[in-house]
Amino acid sequence: AQSVTQPDIHITVSEGASLELRCNYSYGATPYLFWYVQSPGQGLQLLLKYFSGDTLVQGIKGFEAEFKRSQSSFNLRKPSVHWSDAAEYFCAVVFYNNNDMRFGAGTRLTVKP
Amino acid sequence: GAGVSQTPSNKVTEKGKYVELRCDPISGHTALYWYRQSLGQGPEFLIYFQGTGAADDSGLPNDRFFAVRPEGSVSTLKIQRTERGDSAVYLCASSPDLAGGSTGELFFGEGSRLTVL
Repeated sequence: AQSVTQPDIHITVSEGASLELRCNYSYGATPYLFWYVQSPGQGLQLLLKYFSGDTLVQGIKGFEAEFKRSQSSFNLRKPSVHWSDAAEYFCAVVFYNNNDMRFGAGTRLTVKP
Repeated sequence: GAGVSQTPSNKVTEKGKYVELRCDPISGHTALYWYRQSLGQGPEFLIYFQGTGAADDSGLPNDRFFAVRPEGSVSTLKIQRTERGDSAVYLCASSPDLAGGSTGELFFGEGSRLTVL
């Protein structure tokens, strides 16, 4: 079955620490992959996307993500987290035969001072 | 405005009532999507339109839910005989073409929060 999974419901990191948020998908091919961020009271904002080519993708706000075909993963990373990064993060995929975007359950990021 | 606009931002209704939620997409975007987001969950796909037609309505939970986009721009999500379980934030997104096409991005509105008492 086609699916997208975010194993971590909630992550807490200290300001200035590094961050990695996990995303795995289940599909017979490589889907289109995305990360969105949702701050309280805000709409979803695209951080970055992967279609093909270089497996390390740079996004906005200092985020990057790496596509690993062997692990069916697309993990989001940031070297140094800022307090303003506290938000809900969603991994999303587009499966070719559906042509619509499906989201993971989200990971809530808390940043400690 | 330049973004996706959704109205109302908040709607409180009683069980059994009829509700309409409106989405005004970014001008020129041919694809329009409706999602539902419950507390602590990711957005759940409901339906998407390519132009005026519903290209995929497989996410609509039952026949109380219906959506239209008569002129290929504004869309209305209609919910009949609302139930408490319908309470959620209903998100609308638009895209230049199916699944974001060359841009690979859906542009989301801020959502309509529906509360069914």
